[in-house]
Order: sequence, then C-alpha cells, then structure tokens
Amino acid sequence: GIQVEQSPPDLILQEGANSTLRCNFSDSVNNLQWFHQNPWGQLINLFYIPSGTKQNGRLSATTVATERYSLLYISSSQTTDSGVYFCAVEGGSGGSNYKLTFGKGTLLTVNP
Amino acid sequence: ETGVTQTPRHLVMGMTNKKSLKCEQHLGHNAMYWYKQSAKKPLELMFVYSLEERVENNSVPSRFSPECPNSSHLFLHLHTLQPEDSALYLCASSQNSGAGELFFGEGSRLTVL
Repeated sequence: GIQVEQSPPDLILQEGANSTLRCNFSDSVNNLQWFHQNPWGQLINLFYIPSGTKQNGRLSATTVATERYSLLYISSSQTTDSGVYFCAVEGGSGGSNYKLTFGKGTLLTVNP
Repeated sequence: ETGVTQTPRHLVMGMTNKKSLKCEQHLGHNAMYWYKQSAKKPLELMFVYSLEERVENNSVPSRFSPECPNSSHLFLHLHTLQPEDSALYLCASSQNSGAGELFFGEGSRLTVL
C-alpha cells in the first residue's frame, strides 16, 4: 500500500515563529488532507489539497503531486497551534478509494 | 464544531462488560467511518459504511461490532474487550465513500481494565 512519511516528527517553536511541515508519499494520490489534532484528541480538517496551493489565514498548504510531496506552512505561530499535524492520503495503485492512509504526524509545541 | 458528535467522550469498562459508542453527523453525508488511534501508532481504519451498507471491515476482531441504522448514525458495540483495546476511537464522515474531505468527531477515549 501507499507509504506516508512526515517530517519532522517533533518541532518546538517560540510564539511568532514560522514553520514548514512536510509530507512525502510513495505513489500517486487522488486525495490528500492535512489535519490538526488538538490536545483533547479532536482532529480538525485543515486542508483538502490533492494538488495546488491553498491558504487559510496563517496557514497555507502546497501539494506537488508529480513530485509526491505536500507542505504545510504555519506563519506567526501561536500557542493554540500546538498539537499533532497529520497528513493523510488516498489513492495509489491497489488502494481503496475511500481508505485514507495517515502519516505518523508531526508534534508541534509552540512556547509563549 | 465539525458537525460530527461522539458520545460518550470517556468510557471505562471491564473486560466482561458490554458497552456502545455512538456517533451522529449533522452534515448530510452518506459515508461514516470508525478509526482507532492507539498510543504511538498511526490512525487505523476499522469500518466504513456507505449509505448504511458496510463496505470495509479492516480485519477488526469480532468483539467490535458496528451498526449503522441510517446515514446519520453510527454505533460501535463493544463486548469482551481486552486491555490492549484501550485507545481513542474516532468517528468520521464524508459526503461519499470515494475521495473527498473527511470530518472527525471529538473521539471517545476508551479504557479497558
């Protein structure tokens, strides 16, 4: 099945700093999503981005499907940005249409 | 608020108990999912329902029994669980079971004693 690798596994920032999270995947995809899991466990949908670039406030994401990676940018980070960021992809040869494969996540800690 | 509500948020049960987790979505979606998140493991898909019909059972032990009475409600019935089943159980929904955005509930944190 499709492999998803996220980097870095852990990231510590001071409030106000910018960061880039990366997601590499091993095959072609027809679905890619970024999620933020808050400290209480809820997964919040950030972007649905199988290709191209999207922006939402301080967050933006870019997926280069031909090169099999996606980037999540966080600018002017805040303590509320802390949590785990997951990349999830769907597709690839032999994969189910409805089965998202999740990466292991990036644990982001933003200190005041 | 994602439009997907799970109850209970926390559950502690013994290995001989029978309990159920409930999920309700208010998004008009046709597909619903159960995921399991254990410590230090990626999310694992357990079950997928599309238009109330189970379309995926990802090699889940029979002590977990899903039920989807209609497209807005999904249950996970728990029976004779093991301590290693302790995890965060996440419900999600999407417009269809094909490619598309997935919306998660807040999760039900289960502890099996």
